[in-house]
Order: sequence, then structure tokens, then C-alpha cells
Amino acid sequence: ETGVTQTPRHLVMGMTNKKSLKCEQHLGHNAMYWYKQSAKKPLELMFVYNFKEQTENNSVPSRFSPECPNSSHLFLHLHTLQPEDSALYLCASSQTSSYNEQFFGPGTRLTVL
Amino acid sequence: KNEVEQSPQNLTAQEGEFITINCSYSVGISALHWLQQHPGGGIVSLFMLSSGKKKHGRLIATINIQEKHSSLHITASHPRDSAVYICAVVRETSGSRLTFGEGTQLTVNP
Repeated sequence: ETGVTQTPRHLVMGMTNKKSLKCEQHLGHNAMYWYKQSAKKPLELMFVYNFKEQTENNSVPSRFSPECPNSSHLFLHLHTLQPEDSALYLCASSQTSSYNEQFFGPGTRLTVL
Repeated sequence: KNEVEQSPQNLTAQEGEFITINCSYSVGISALHWLQQHPGGGIVSLFMLSSGKKKHGRLIATINIQEKHSSLHITASHPRDSAVYICAVVRETSGSRLTFGEGTQLTVNP
């Protein structure tokens, strides 16, 4: 058990849909991350939250909208996505956002039709 | 060119073989991670190291800061070791932000 859960595990959506990905960590951590993993490419950092405040946005298009209501929960709201956004979206958490081991969730496999 | 390069990209071994996966990086770092990703996507952290060598069971990780190089070794490999192994570095100026290699797909046949 990783202590970081993600739902749903699989999601298929059309380009006009609105959906949300959810991440929850049970480790008492204060930093949470969203990563994107596309086929044959390294993981890419999308967003970082530290103590509920967004500290990094890695030039992510506005069709991806993160939300961190508390240190245990992180959401990624999706709207008007493109087929090239199809990927594995991974959530991670760490004690804080400064130099700590990160614990990853199982990921959400997203397919945009 | 990626800041973090891994080799080989793909590796097939027979059960019991000694395996080495290499990672080279071109930036100043404060730490290096080795991660394991199984089919289905979940990622597990194997090691975080900033100098020397660490050992956990059949896994050994080494790092040479001067040469900007790290290796992950698996002794007495087993089919359950089949996974993607990812090297990631923490840049000196980036807090805990990770820069990832492309990963090495390891397949261990019985």
C-alpha cells in the first residue's frame, strides 16, 4: 500500500467533456504533485502544492486546472482536452516541497477521444 | 539532449543474472532517485542517494558525483524484477523538483 490513492484508475473522455481526477494521501504530508507520463517520454512535472499553496506551474495549458483544498487532497480538473493529452497522470506527495522523498500514487490512465 | 540519460533503454536477462542499469546527468544535483514502475503505472521509490552506495536486499545503487553517474545493480535477478527503472535527479537549485530519465525497461525471463 503506497499511502497515495488516485481515482479513477482509468478514464475515457471526449474533447468536450469536463472531468476531474482525484488524489488523496494518508501520509500526513504537506506537499503534493501532479505529473504527466506520455508514451516513450520522461515524466513531466505539472504542478506542485506546498501547504495548500501552488508553488509551481510548469507552463501547463489552462485546460488543466488543479485544486488543493487541504494538504491531503489534490484534484486535477479537465476540460476541452485534446487527444495528445492522453497519458498516465500520476500524483505524488512528500513531507514538504523541499528535498524529500516522494511517494507516488498508482496513476490515472486518461484517454481523450 | 535530455539532462538525464539512462542506458540501456531496454534490457532482457535470464533469471539469476546480474543486472546493471546506468544513469548519467549533466546538471549539478543535490540527490538522485531510483524508481521502479510496474505495468499498470504505480511508481515505487527504491533509493534516494547523494553520495556513495546504498544496498537494499538484492538491489544496490551507487553514485559518483564527480563523474555525474549512477548505477543500479540487481543481483540474482528474478522475473518479478521485470519493470521500468527510472533515474531522477534533484537539481541543486530546484528544491525537491525531480528531472526524470526516460526509463529502462527490464524483462527477466525464467
